[in-house]
Amino acid sequence: DGGITQSPKYLFRKEGQNVTLSCEQNLNHDAMYWYRQDPGQGLRLIYYSQIVNDFQKGDIAEGYSVSREKKESFPLTVTSAQKNPTAFYLCATRFLSSNQPQHFGDGTRLSIL
Amino acid sequence: SQKIEQNSEALNIQEGKTATLTCNYTNYSPAYLQWYRQDPGRGPVFLLLIRENEKEKRKERLKVTFDTTLKQSLFHITASQPADSATYLCALVGYGQNFVFGPGTRLSVLP
Repeated sequence: DGGITQSPKYLFRKEGQNVTLSCEQNLNHDAMYWYRQDPGQGLRLIYYSQIVNDFQKGDIAEGYSVSREKKESFPLTVTSAQKNPTAFYLCATRFLSSNQPQHFGDGTRLSIL
Repeated sequence: SQKIEQNSEALNIQEGKTATLTCNYTNYSPAYLQWYRQDPGRGPVFLLLIRENEKEKRKERLKVTFDTTLKQSLFHITASQPADSATYLCALVGYGQNFVFGPGTRLSVLP
């Protein structure tokens, strides 16, 4: 989706290192989400935010942290506490009105060195 | 706990035939259901939405049905083309606007 930019496309993490994935949107959407996608599994929700300076844990928040200081930005930090971080990470946004779909970025693939 | 299943991990069909993908769920009462398409290395793209009180929705060659008694949605692509090859995800959306995604079905349309 052209309105959502995830960077970098590929990221490598060394043991014990924290890394931050960027997600920026220019769609003026209220809510932003981070998902993790592993082969053969559905998207699993890590964190979401419906308003600036507020965010909620999803189903698999352990080992991750986020911030929402601006409406346009929702960076995800993968900490060293996340023992199995290798995955495809997807950021999504949407308006909070009922029936609105999620719009996704093109993802960041994180691998362990 | 909530569970979503999509009929098979992979589905192969011949060009021109109708592809039918299944999404089954348990322990959930969705307000509506959405279908997305995902190409390799890309994020999912929204295709269609169907509400709990709707039986069928159509958009060009796509048709979605929703049976809340069977707890099942069917997604049909008629006159399939090789360009339709992708992974298709269903997503249930609850009244609290919480999304739950299925694992996806990888569709291959063979020329």
